[in-house]
Amino acid sequence: DQQVKQNSPSLSVQEGRISILNCDYTNSMFDYFLWYKKYPAEGPTFLISISSIKDKNEDGRFTVFLNKSAKHLSLHIVPSQPGDSAVYFCAAREQGAQKLVFGQGTRLTINP
Amino acid sequence: DTAVSQTPKYLVTQMGNDKSIKCEQNLGHDTMYWYKQDSKKFLKIMFSYNNKELIINETVPNRFSPKSPDKAHLNLHINSLELGDSAVYFCASSLLSGGNEQFFGPGTRLTVL
Repeated sequence: DQQVKQNSPSLSVQEGRISILNCDYTNSMFDYFLWYKKYPAEGPTFLISISSIKDKNEDGRFTVFLNKSAKHLSLHIVPSQPGDSAVYFCAAREQGAQKLVFGQGTRLTINP
Repeated sequence: DTAVSQTPKYLVTQMGNDKSIKCEQNLGHDTMYWYKQDSKKFLKIMFSYNNKELIINETVPNRFSPKSPDKAHLNLHINSLELGDSAVYFCASSLLSGGNEQFFGPGTRLTVL
């Protein structure tokens, strides 16, 4: 039973446009959400996070939106750059828990 | 200087063998983790150690045994390897237990023939 799902395995976006990556979760006890970025042959690296008490967090070109009622979060990248081409993982942590639960990732390709 | 390193990067072995994957972090973090990325690409936690003490042990076969000689190292030993163990294994660390920001190693791709 996968509690965090990224239903789009891949996404292709033109350079300079907005990339929107989506993530859905089922566990209402999740209180913290993160996005990780992964290049080939490397481990995931932390990108941005959001607490459940917020509905938006922005860091430069990256913004994460949280819709608790829909159990949905999204990562917006604008403007998209070729270096953004990577696999993006959504992750969530249950309140008081020690572990992160990851989705299966979305491969983002930015076309020049 | 690599923050979280794993060796080997690739491991190809026969069914039934025993193998180990080593992990070291130089970030001074208290907590280390092992994750398995399966064929469906989900990253699933296997174990977590905090200051050499096991704090998370997910439903993982007994053939998998983590060992933490000190808080900078967390090794994974796998006995009697099976075909289904083929996966990419990632080590990670965080400053605090359950730490939100985890730093990952580059992964070890294990192939069991």
